Amino acid sequence: DTGVSQNPRHKITKRGQNVTFRCDPISEHNRLYWYRQTLGQGPEFLTYFQNEAQLEKSRLLSDRFSAERPKGSFSTLEIQRTEQGDSAMYLCASSLPRGENTEAFFGQGTRLTVV
Amino acid sequence: KQEVTQIPAALSVPEGENLVLNCSFTDSAIYNLQWFRQDPGKGLTSLLLIQSSQREQTSGRLNASLDKSSGRSTLYIAASQPGDSATYLCAVLLYGNNRLAFGKGNQVVVIP
Repeated sequence: DTGVSQNPRHKITKRGQNVTFRCDPISEHNRLYWYRQTLGQGPEFLTYFQNEAQLEKSRLLSDRFSAERPKGSFSTLEIQRTEQGDSAMYLCASSLPRGENTEAFFGQGTRLTVV
Repeated sequence: KQEVTQIPAALSVPEGENLVLNCSFTDSAIYNLQWFRQDPGKGLTSLLLIQSSQREQTSGRLNASLDKSSGRSTLYIAASQPGDSATYLCAVLLYGNNRLAFGKGNQVVVIP
């Protein structure tokens, strides 16, 4: 499967614990995005990487959230001291550079439940 | 800020009918518009991408149109099937921007 891969698919954690999600983009895509989706809503942008550089962060990305893409390939999203309001689907997407086909491809998401 | 609205929020149609899903956006300086399908609890599957210079795109039973001047896109699904039941999301990418702005989706049920 050469699509965007996200792990784990589901995560249940207790409030206050730290969690980390992983995203493996399509191999030739240098752009990588994280979005968050709550029930009944469209996805909301969190952050964007071009290669290993994190070029944009949303106000939604509080200081408890950190994202990395150390070698410009896979990315991780960590949430520290989770809160119940962090419960959501976390989606990763990747695309080619702007100027080429910028179609965004999404992974299957990681469903986070904070209890 | 780009606002994307999808109407209706939910609809049910009998199998075989054509589906018409509407998406409107407030900022016409779009780079492209993308339609996605989302099944319950799953990620997003890209259906069609329309570049700002295009008026429509077709893939099988799906056809999407784009009218930048009026800030509208329409997704047509011909001869609907129960397997088309899903939520359809419209997303807009602006020039000079790196984030997709999504609507809340059209939740579709096709009744056998």
